[in-house]
Amino acid sequence: IAGITQAPTSQILAAGRRMTLRCTQDMRHNAMYWYRQDLGLGLRLIHYSNTAGTTGKGEVPDGYSVSRANTDDFPLTLASAVPSQTSVYFCASSDSGLAGIEQFFGPGTRLTVL
Amino acid sequence: ELKVEQNPLFLSMQEGKNYTIYCNYSTTSDRLYWYRQDPGKSLESLFVLLSNGAVKQEGRLMASLDTKARLSTLHITAAVHDLSATYFCAVEAGTYKYIFGTGTRLKVLA
Repeated sequence: IAGITQAPTSQILAAGRRMTLRCTQDMRHNAMYWYRQDLGLGLRLIHYSNTAGTTGKGEVPDGYSVSRANTDDFPLTLASAVPSQTSVYFCASSDSGLAGIEQFFGPGTRLTVL
Repeated sequence: ELKVEQNPLFLSMQEGKNYTIYCNYSTTSDRLYWYRQDPGKSLESLFVLLSNGAVKQEGRLMASLDTKARLSTLHITAAVHDLSATYFCAVEAGTYKYIFGTGTRLKVLA
């Protein structure tokens, strides 16, 4: 593994189903993030984690939950998917939450909720 | 609510020309980031600007930050086709919180 991996690459999901998007990094970064990207809206922060065991809400957290059991993994769960959650989801990490640290992004997961 | 606005949203330019992309934000912040995204790909970090007056350059791209005007610019010099991509600015709105602009889609025509 090099950098950040996400799984699945893409998924079509029926509304009401539960779905977990996986994210793993091997850079030992302490901070991790989940964004959604929608056409015309740029990227919006869903949840973040500054260290294992701690998470926080971003701009658009409703309908999503996260956990951070260890440094490397940061899964995003949709408990009951709705069509408005159709989007491309990017996981990112950074070396620290201190100012001036760039984020590294995973390849993304394209999710379609029907 | 912090807002980050980029303009233009779309830019089509000829190779060899110069142009500037603007990123305006609505609240005090002295940390701003520029990213590039190729179609269907992930985001790649271009520049990290950490203080008022900061200027960074890489190849044909130069970014600057004016925190008093709440404005960052990404200047393209003598554009080439390989620069075709979508460019995003992002403002640090708080610890671990980043607000992205809507992006500027750049197409450089041969």
